[in-house]
Amino acid sequence: DGGITQSPKYLFRKEGQNVTLSCEQNLNHDAMYWYRQDPGQGLRLIYYSQIVNDFQKGDIAEGYSVSREKKESFPLTVTSAQKNPTAFYLCASSREQSSYNEQFFGPGTRLTVL
Amino acid sequence: AQSVTQLDSQVPVFEEAPVELRCNYSSSVSVYLFWYVQYPNQGLQLLLKYLSGSTLVKGINGFEAEFNKSQTSFHLRKPSVHISDTAEYFCAVSHAGNNRKLIWGLGTSLAVNP
Repeated sequence: DGGITQSPKYLFRKEGQNVTLSCEQNLNHDAMYWYRQDPGQGLRLIYYSQIVNDFQKGDIAEGYSVSREKKESFPLTVTSAQKNPTAFYLCASSREQSSYNEQFFGPGTRLTVL
Repeated sequence: AQSVTQLDSQVPVFEEAPVELRCNYSSSVSVYLFWYVQYPNQGLQLLLKYLSGSTLVKGINGFEAEFNKSQTSFHLRKPSVHISDTAEYFCAVSHAGNNRKLIWGLGTSLAVNP
């Protein structure tokens, strides 16, 4: 079955450590996205990528970094510069050829920084 | 600039009662509209979308929504809810020219009580 996988489901890290969240898709989608979700704040876009080896900052990119070396993979690194990293992180993808940008989501990773 | 307003942050309802979750948007151009559902600690799943054509859109799990261009609304309805409909519901809008971004509402938490 085609879909998006995110691993791990739950992640714990100590303050000051960088951590990388995995996102893989086998939908053959060109575009991929990372969102952060906090209670009552909806989804906020961190980074997105429309094509391999290219990505753009979203609304809250500070303290995060991404790479897009393969079409299937879009890992997100939460750096020690992110002041409040504890949150639920969602990865999504969409067909670049689609004009309306319907996005498909992974199951999410809940990051807790202690 | 585009924006999406979900008029109710929380909607409590009894099982088998009808429900309406309200969504208004602002945009100066034609839009595409989406409703997604998120069950606790999971990713988002598409309920339905409006792209063009009939203003009444039917989705999964018995939900439907009506696009009203004059009122810039896209309200979600279900005639009889079940306990299993308890979830967070998100309204989102996009158009072809917004750099592949979806603009999200803050969500409505639907609580179905027995």
